[in-house]
Parts: sequence; C-alpha cells; structure tokens
Amino acid sequence: AQTVTQSQPEMSVQEAETVTLSCTYDTSENNYYLFWYKQPPSRQMILVIRQEAYKQQNATENRFSVNFQKAAKSFSLKISDSQLGDTAMYFCAFMSLNTDKLIFGTGTRLQVFP
Amino acid sequence: DAGVIQSPRHEVTEMGQEVTLRCKPISGHNSLFWYRQTMMRGLELLIYFNNNVPIDDSGMPEDRFSAKMPNASFSTLKIQPSEPRDSAVYFCASSEAGVTGELFFGEGSRLTVL
Repeated sequence: AQTVTQSQPEMSVQEAETVTLSCTYDTSENNYYLFWYKQPPSRQMILVIRQEAYKQQNATENRFSVNFQKAAKSFSLKISDSQLGDTAMYFCAFMSLNTDKLIFGTGTRLQVFP
Repeated sequence: DAGVIQSPRHEVTEMGQEVTLRCKPISGHNSLFWYRQTMMRGLELLIYFNNNVPIDDSGMPEDRFSAKMPNASFSTLKIQPSEPRDSAVYFCASSEAGVTGELFFGEGSRLTVL
C-alpha cells in the first residue's frame, strides 16, 4: 500500500522569505502523480502544484516549485517570496495511475509572519 | 462551472439520527470521491466512484456508512445511526479519471454529532 509522510507538523516563515516543506512517499509503482494541495482557513482544498513521475523536470508554478527525487521517493515544496496569503495547511498527496485514488499525508501547517 | 457543490455546509445532529450529505460533481467529470477529515486521522478516503459505479469502498468505516451515486450529477453519503465519533468535515471531490489526476474539491460539510 502507498503511504505519504509529512514529518513537519508546523512551519513558520517571515514574509518574503523562502520555505521548504518536506514529503516522502512509499510505493512500488513506477508511474504515478504527486501533488501539493493547500487548505486555507476557509477549508477549501486547492491544488498548488502537480508532478508526473515520468517527468524528470521539476514542476514550477510561479512562486511554487518542487524538488522531485524519484529514487529517494522525496517530493518537497518550495515557496519563494512567501506572502501572508500562503498561510494554510499544506498536504502532499500521491495518486496511482492504476487506481486514481489520491492518498494524503498528514499535512504541514504553515504560518507566514509579517 | 460552479465547481463541486456540497450540502449542507454545516450539520448538527443528535446521536442516533440519520445524516445525509449531498454532492454535485463538476459536469463532465467521471470520478467522484468522498473524504473525511479529522484532527486525529487527517484526510481519509472513504469511497470513490467511476462512471457512477463504486470502485473502492474499503475506507468506509462500518456498516453505518453508505454512499450512492444514482447518476453522473449527484451522490449521497449517509450515516445511520450517527455517533459522536462521526463528527468531522466530509469532502466530496470529482475528477476526469485518467486525464490530469487533479481532484477538484467541494467546500466540505462539517458534521457535529452530539
């Protein structure tokens, strides 16, 4: 069974600084998707960034980028130029292409301070 | 598109009562997922449907929980009888299976069982 581990329950960063959230996963499959979702206090889950396992190039979306290390089964999220609106819970998630099931980690609560 | 629509947003009920949560997926999406979120257990996948057919209900906690998808535009999650430990936020999400892997989430239904 696939598992997703986020070892940082809470993180904090000052506005305009950079922060990296960690995620590791376990799977025996070769083809899959990885995601980072954001859940602000409004509790709506919002997709931040997505990575296909077959792509070696790390995904980037504006201030958000990932460091995908397939062999190490590591998928960290880097947030550059942090903004107050980035304050939220961040969930790492794994999806097998065989099942379409999205498995979430336990989340990291990020607080951005002015 | 209006996105995934869930109702009710909040429900407070007494132990032993029947609870029905509703979900309207995004038009054209052929997969639908029900998740439960609690502080203790995080985000758990309860069940998912593909083309209105339940594919995996291994996450459904017990026989008190049931889910249906009578057509492509509507799904229900029913708890009967409800218990205080069922208190949680229940999310519905939909996706186009096999396309991008991205799940689109509703705003969730917060259930409190007294």
